[in-house]
This record gives sequence, structure tokens and C-alpha cells, in this order.
Amino acid sequence: NAGVTQTPKFRVLKTGQSMTLLCAQDMNHEYMYWYRQDPGMGLRLIHYSVGEGTTAKGEVPDGYNVSRLKKQNFLLGLESAAPSQTSVYFCASSYAGGLGYTFGSGTRLTVV
Amino acid sequence: GEDVEQSLFLSVREGDSSVINCTYTDSSSTYLYWYKQEPGAGLQLLTYIFSNMDMKQDQRLTVLLNKKDKHLSLRIADTQTGDSAIYFCADQNRDDKIIFGKGTRLHILP
Repeated sequence: NAGVTQTPKFRVLKTGQSMTLLCAQDMNHEYMYWYRQDPGMGLRLIHYSVGEGTTAKGEVPDGYNVSRLKKQNFLLGLESAAPSQTSVYFCASSYAGGLGYTFGSGTRLTVV
Repeated sequence: GEDVEQSLFLSVREGDSSVINCTYTDSSSTYLYWYKQEPGAGLQLLTYIFSNMDMKQDQRLTVLLNKKDKHLSLRIADTQTGDSAIYFCADQNRDDKIIFGKGTRLHILP
């Protein structure tokens, strides 16, 4: 009964480093999403996927890449981290036509 | 584009009722949601209302929907310290896309 699991929970990166955030869901959801949450800005959609092998840009996609090679996993990559990418990142998933999203517990990323 | 607006802060005394308001612009809403985010945690679905309903009650929670004015509210009766959190209003359209408000931080006064 894990739901949506995000790894890692915390990370500190130096400017220019790269990293990948992993989101895994065990509910057989078709749709998956990556959001970032910043104070006063609410949730902003970075990228999303409506099925295995598909991805699409959200509201703030620049500086991020994603992949959905398996239905249960959605990876968010930062190729060259910048301080502006310091944020809390949330993954979410849902059924197509389903009721609401299920969220992970977040990854707190600091870029110094 | 579609938008969801809500006030950023609300302070309420313990034991009083809290009312969090939200307005939205989408005219093709299917469901409207209230999510709760406790410190250091993700968002959890608190309650929802189908767009053809005007009220839903669930224990201490009452959701009111005025579809004509595109106004949604969440009332929490007998507010407790455990209700301290950020509450997000969200709107789902016919394409299953969900738009979130910026969240209302509920602060409980002793």
C-alpha cells in the first residue's frame, strides 16, 4: 500500500551538477505529473505523462527533462542545476478520468 | 487560461469554525477538490464535490459550491490544532486536467 514514492527525500547540489529524481507508483495509474512548490507560488506543473513512453511539457519545463519508460516510474532530470531550481518537488499520479491525484511526500532540493 | 484563486492566510481561534474560500474560472469543471498539506508532507485529498452538487458534508467538513458565481468554500467546524495546514482548492476539467490554487495557510490561535 505504498501509493506514490519519491526518492530521494532531500538533496543538496552544487550549481552545474546533474541529478535524477525518481517517482514510483504502485496503483497502475496511467497519468503521472511533476510539480514544484515554491513559497507564494503554489504548485507549478513541470512535465506530465499520460502513458508509458509519452511525456508533455507543463507550465515551467525549462531546465528539466523527464522520461516514462515504465508505466510505474516517472523520472525528472536536472542536467545542469541552477539555484533557481531550489524547491520542493512533488510527484503525483492519477487514473485517466479518475478522481483527483495521489501525491508523493516530496523531494526537497537545494542548489548552492 | 483557467485560474483558481484563494486567499493566502487565515487565522482562526481553536474551537471556532474556519471558512476557506476559493473562486475559479473554468466553465467545464467536473470535480472540485480540497487538498490538505501538513508541514513537510505532500498534498492529501481532503474532500471533493461533483460539479452538479451544491453541498457536501463529511463529519466536521462542509463544502459549498455556487456554480453560478464559480465559488467554492470549505468550512471546518470546531477547528482543532491538528487542522493547522495549507489548504489547496483545485478544479478538474473535462480533459482531467487539475488546476490548483496557491493554497491558504490556516493558523490556529489558542
